[in-house]
Amino acid sequence: QKEVEQDPGPLSVPEGAIVSLNCTYSNSAFQYFMWYRQYSRKGPELLMYTYSSGNKEDGRFTAQVDKSSKYISLFIRDSQPSDSATYLCAMRKNTNAGKSTFGDGTTLTVKP
Amino acid sequence: DTGVSQDPRHKITKRGQNVTFRCDPISEHNRLYWYRQTLGQGPEFLTYFQNEAQLEKSRLLSDRFSAERPKGSFSTLEIQRTEQGDSAMYLCASSLDGSGRSGRWGNYNEQFFGPGTRLTVL
Repeated sequence: QKEVEQDPGPLSVPEGAIVSLNCTYSNSAFQYFMWYRQYSRKGPELLMYTYSSGNKEDGRFTAQVDKSSKYISLFIRDSQPSDSATYLCAMRKNTNAGKSTFGDGTTLTVKP
Repeated sequence: DTGVSQDPRHKITKRGQNVTFRCDPISEHNRLYWYRQTLGQGPEFLTYFQNEAQLEKSRLLSDRFSAERPKGSFSTLEIQRTEQGDSAMYLCASSLDGSGRSGRWGNYNEQFFGPGTRLTVL
């Protein structure tokens, strides 16, 4: 079983919808959590980073972490067609760790 | 600085041949990472360097794989005797180390990814 599980989707929503993306993890040593966006044929790009349980907001994006349940979420408000991409969650054991462990990504399509 | 660059972007080779990929990190970054990504999967960590030193290697990095960063700047990843299972996107990333540096995310070594090298082994 993988350390990080992510629903692959695909997820299709109309423009303006609220999108919820989720990951679960099994290793309680993970303390730092990231969300990346990856467009086709491109490298991943960091969207959000958080290390504490609770919510963190950045514009239309909110990252939520529940360490007791080993569950993280990314919410996208007012979704736009340009948000169509694959979203990857990733985790690390400490802020200075080299290795990030990724989920397999959720493919999102936002329809105009 | 234009970000992390990788060369070539695409490589097609026959099984059994050797291939080498190059990664040029963001110039002020002292860390460099290699990941492998297959279709429908997330990136899998292979190895990383801090300056010239290779600090961690995944067990995915079999003895056919070797990575170097001789002068602490660019890095190469060589795969010897390629197999069809090596077909994947090879991603390079770079970052500062996390010690006492402040950025958008505070003291955190954000990894900036390159566009990847897509390898196809026939």
